[in-house]
Amino acid sequence: EAEVAQSPRYKITEKSQAVAFWCDPISGHATLYWYRQILGQGPELLVQFQDESVVDDSQLPKDRFSAERLKGVDSTLKIQPAELGDSAMYLCASSFSPEPDNQETQYFGPGTRLLVL
Amino acid sequence: AQKITQTQPGMFVQEKEAVTLDCTYDTSDQSYGLFWYKQPSSGEMIFLIYQGSYDEQNATEGRYSLNFQKARKSANLVISASQLGDSAMYFCAMREGGRGSYIPTFGRGTSLIVHP
Repeated sequence: EAEVAQSPRYKITEKSQAVAFWCDPISGHATLYWYRQILGQGPELLVQFQDESVVDDSQLPKDRFSAERLKGVDSTLKIQPAELGDSAMYLCASSFSPEPDNQETQYFGPGTRLLVL
Repeated sequence: AQKITQTQPGMFVQEKEAVTLDCTYDTSDQSYGLFWYKQPSSGEMIFLIYQGSYDEQNATEGRYSLNFQKARKSANLVISASQLGDSAMYFCAMREGGRGSYIPTFGRGTSLIVHP
């Protein structure tokens, strides 16, 4: 069964350092999402890609966060510099349609747990 | 205002019993979709069930069913015959509107513990 892959699964870093997360969506899925999930809360969308283009990044803290999906397949989310408040689970998801409607199911990866010291 | 409200931070149920997890939503759109996800301690969000706003029948997927009450704007998840492996966080989510770059919204989740 096809899955969304993410790496690393766990990351510990010190504040002010740079950190990067990688996501490989299900093959053929046009839309890719990055979410941040703070402990005890639901996921919050950071950025949504349609193929290689950013469709929505209104919730992405652009002073320190960046995301790219250069070839419209896998994607990288970067934080520089990391802050203590960035400690969270970072989830990647994908869905098939390039223009998902309200029926479109997202399929999630296992996430990357980030701890900033 | 919260678009998705899950009022139960935690629920306990005995194995083999049924349990209902509450979800209310807020939208002015006529077309929307409601989803439930399960998140075990491993972290991955697992899709469970979907209900469209125009669906007249409640959705069912195996032991999962969705009690959809459109007028009350509620979409409660019912798990029948609970199993120990059902212990996890459960999230209700909504997608509003038609095709486009709208943002899927999640609730804060309910922690379900199934005990023997």
